[in-house]
Amino acid sequence: EVQLVESGGGLVQPGESLRLSCAASGFTFSNYWMSWVRQAPGKGLEWVANIKLDGSEKYSVDSVKGRFTISRDNAKDSLFLQMNSLRAEDTAVYYCARGGNRNGRFDYWGQGTLVTVSS
Amino acid sequence: DIQMTQSPSSLSASVGDRVTITCRASQTISSYLNWYQQKPGKAPRLLIYAASSLQTGVPSRFSGSGSGTDFTLTISSLQPEDFATFYCQQSYNIPFTFGPGTKVDIK
Repeated sequence: EVQLVESGGGLVQPGESLRLSCAASGFTFSNYWMSWVRQAPGKGLEWVANIKLDGSEKYSVDSVKGRFTISRDNAKDSLFLQMNSLRAEDTAVYYCARGGNRNGRFDYWGQGTLVTVSS
Repeated sequence: DIQMTQSPSSLSASVGDRVTITCRASQTISSYLNWYQQKPGKAPRLLIYAASSLQTGVPSRFSGSGSGTDFTLTISSLQPEDFATFYCQQSYNIPFTFGPGTKVDIK
């Protein structure tokens, strides 16, 4: 059974950093692009970033460029999102999702981890 | 960036109704369009990929159609467990973008 379990969310002040993790199981992690998708409270879904199978390609939405970094550890079946210089508008539930290649789909999602940026 | 729009933004329907949700892309995306269902407090669930392919395990009352810029999600006979918010998403270009969602609730 495919499982994605996020962790690392919490309450931080503006300008601070946070690192999210996603532990994958039930599939060959290194065979898949992986992504982060977020959802602000009461709002819709927003793709944040994706990373290729071997980590050689990474892309992100403009609003997080230069602040967020996606990475992966295929030996540990784990996906990460390093979030720096956090802003109030980054407050959201962050989902780890399998997929993210062009012309593909997000076929499995984690349960999400809440990040709240507030003073 | 490719903008995605959906209509209606919300609808009320009864069990057994046929429901149709439309999604439009701001430029052609071929058939690289996916549909997701999300219930309150839960993660999204993939329903349809590549415009018309049914994801494994999804009931056959869900179907998708369209190509280019205009797409449709149809629920042939609405069931109690189908009340949720539905999102379309394009995977043609990065940044991947989602529609604003269509909330389906009980009439």
